[in-house]
Amino acid sequence: DSGVTQTPKHLITATGQRVTLRCSPRSGDLSVYWYQQSLDQGLQFLIQYYNGEERAKGNILERFSAQQFPDLHSELNLSSLELGDSALYFCASSVGGTVGHHLYFGPGTRLTVT
Amino acid sequence: DQQVKQNSPSLSVQEGRISILNCDYTNSMFDYFLWYKKYPAEGPTFLISISSIKDKNEDGRFTVFLNKSAKHLSLHIVPSQPGDSAVYFCAASDNAGGTSYGKLTFGQGTILTVHP
Repeated sequence: DSGVTQTPKHLITATGQRVTLRCSPRSGDLSVYWYQQSLDQGLQFLIQYYNGEERAKGNILERFSAQQFPDLHSELNLSSLELGDSALYFCASSVGGTVGHHLYFGPGTRLTVT
Repeated sequence: DQQVKQNSPSLSVQEGRISILNCDYTNSMFDYFLWYKKYPAEGPTFLISISSIKDKNEDGRFTVFLNKSAKHLSLHIVPSQPGDSAVYFCAASDNAGGTSYGKLTFGQGTILTVHP
C-alpha cells in the first residue's frame, strides 16, 4: 500500500460525458502528479501540482483539467469524453518535486468510455 | 516520438538466473533514470534509480547500469525470484535539478516472468 488513494477504481461512461477522478496523496506529500496509461503504452505524464499550484504540464488535452485543493487532494476532470480516453489514470505523490523525492503511485482508476 | 524505449515486450527467465531488462533513450537532456515495478491491479512502485553522473547503482539484488554514450540503461536482477514477475518500466527525467523532476517519461514496459 503506497498510501496514495484513488477513487473510483473503475468508471464506465458514455462518449460525450464528463467524469471526475479523485486522488488523496500520502500524508505529508505536497506534490501530486497525474499519469495516463493507454493500452500497450507507457505512462504518459499529464500534469503536476505542488501545494495547490500547477507546476508542470505534459500532454494533457484541453478537454482535461485538474486542480489541487487546500487539503492537498487532487481531482482530474475529463470532459467531452471520447473512446480514445479509455485508459488507466494514475495519481502519484511525492514530498517535494525534486530528485530524491520518489513518486508513490496510487492503484489507478480504470476509465472505460463506451 | 518515443523518447524512452523498452524494445523487449517480455522476458522469461528461470528462478535463480539473472534477469536483464534493457532501456534506450534518445533525449540527451535526461539526467536521472528510474525503474518502476508494477503488479496487476496496483500502481507502479519505485525500484531503483541512477543519476547521470554515475554509471552503476546497486541495491541488493538489483543493479542499474547507465551507458550515457550509448544512451542505454539496463536493470539486472540477480538471482531472479518468482516474486519478481511483474511489468518493469524504465523512466527518465530531464529536470532532476528542478522542481518538476516528477515529470517522468516512461517506456512501454517489459513483462518479466520468472519460472520456478
